[in-house]
Amino acid sequence: KQEVTQIPAALSVPEGENLVLNCSFTDSAIYNLQWFRQDPGKGLTSLLLIQSSQREQTSGRLNASLDKSSGRSTLYIAASQPGDSATYLCAVNGINTGTASKLTFGTGTRLQVTL
Amino acid sequence: NAGVTQTPKFQVLKTGQSMTLQCAQDMNHNSMYWYRQDPGMGLRLIYYSASEGTTDKGEVPNGYNVSRLNKREFSLRLESAAPSQTSVYFCASSLTWGNTEAFFGQGTRLTVV
Repeated sequence: KQEVTQIPAALSVPEGENLVLNCSFTDSAIYNLQWFRQDPGKGLTSLLLIQSSQREQTSGRLNASLDKSSGRSTLYIAASQPGDSATYLCAVNGINTGTASKLTFGTGTRLQVTL
Repeated sequence: NAGVTQTPKFQVLKTGQSMTLQCAQDMNHNSMYWYRQDPGMGLRLIYYSASEGTTDKGEVPNGYNVSRLNKREFSLRLESAAPSQTSVYFCASSLTWGNTEAFFGQGTRLTVV
């Protein structure tokens, strides 16, 4: 069964700092990996999608990498801002999902960027 | 551009009551999903519809039923609500089943007392 782990569970950084969020998964047979942002009481906003054949994707100050063979992905946020404060979720779209749980989510990293 | 729209946003039910959560997408996506989110457990798939006319169980289907009304709409029904179904429910859609970007609605916060 695919398991997705996100470390750390919570992170507090001062404004302007570059930071890295980590995601690891146990089964490397995946179609893709998706990073989401979730604000308190809100839905999920898709940030980046990395296909299994890709190594990284970039959008503005965000860069996500994927090392499928080692079961790891990182989300790099450059020059963090208070508006980046949210929970970041990693979700893996697995091929060998048996019960058809196609997106397996981690429990997220809660980020707070302070002034 | 509305994306995925869920109704209602909030609901309080008494144990044993029934209700239907509605979801509609305007992106011409083929696949739709229902997830629940509980503290410390991440999002878990309840049911999904790979394409119009098909539905299948996900990881936690017990106590729920679904209907894919047409390509746009996918509803989730609780026939006899239980306190264990207190959760935040999210509807999502993707262009095809399994391997494309998923888009989520704003969620329905359900409390069963």
